[in-house]
Amino acid sequence: RKEVEQDPGPFNVPEGATVAFNCTYSNSASQSFFWYRQDCRKEPKLLMSVYSSGNEDGRFTAQLNRASQYISLLIRDSKLSDSATYLCVVNQAGTALIFGKGTTLSVSS
Amino acid sequence: EAQVTQNPRYLITVTGKKLTVTCSQNMNHEYMSWYRQDPGLGLRQIYYSMNVEVTDKGDVPEGYKVSRKEKRNFPLILESPSPNQTSLYFCASSLNTGISYNEQFFGPGTRLTVL
Repeated sequence: RKEVEQDPGPFNVPEGATVAFNCTYSNSASQSFFWYRQDCRKEPKLLMSVYSSGNEDGRFTAQLNRASQYISLLIRDSKLSDSATYLCVVNQAGTALIFGKGTTLSVSS
Repeated sequence: EAQVTQNPRYLITVTGKKLTVTCSQNMNHEYMSWYRQDPGLGLRQIYYSMNVEVTDKGDVPEGYKVSRKEKRNFPLILESPSPNQTSLYFCASSLNTGISYNEQFFGPGTRLTVL
């Protein structure tokens, strides 16, 4: 079983749409969770951390369900500039970050 | 400006010719890591370092070496490159993996082609 699994997509949505990405992780000892964004051929950058209580940053909402070992990212009112690959990332303290393979989003006008 | 730098950014080489990709960070981070990214396989960790003189293997260490003689530098060495090492390589650093919510900062990437 893969450690961090994501639907690769691509998700093709029009501007203004709401889109949700899901991610599951296999290690119940995982302690911290993130969504990174990666533009084509560029380095990944932190989009947001994901906390147990859920958290929101503008149009982006992240949720964590520890019981189901499931993380989600919701993007509201999609913009053209949201087109990118979104990486689900999990950390067990003291060890390496584990990256999912990413979900590709394409927002069109 | 806080950053991770890598050099070179692009490199085309031939099988067997030793090469080094440098990585440097100016944030006084303890943790540094090398990844390779290949289509369909995502980011895979090659080696990481928890601090000076402390390095360990990641998921795909074969064919690579690293060293961490200074806190800021973490070079990746390919002693005898082969075509299957053609990839996009990222160096990253973070403050300390003992801290849970600990952002990892990535360098701009090195695109390596081995002929």
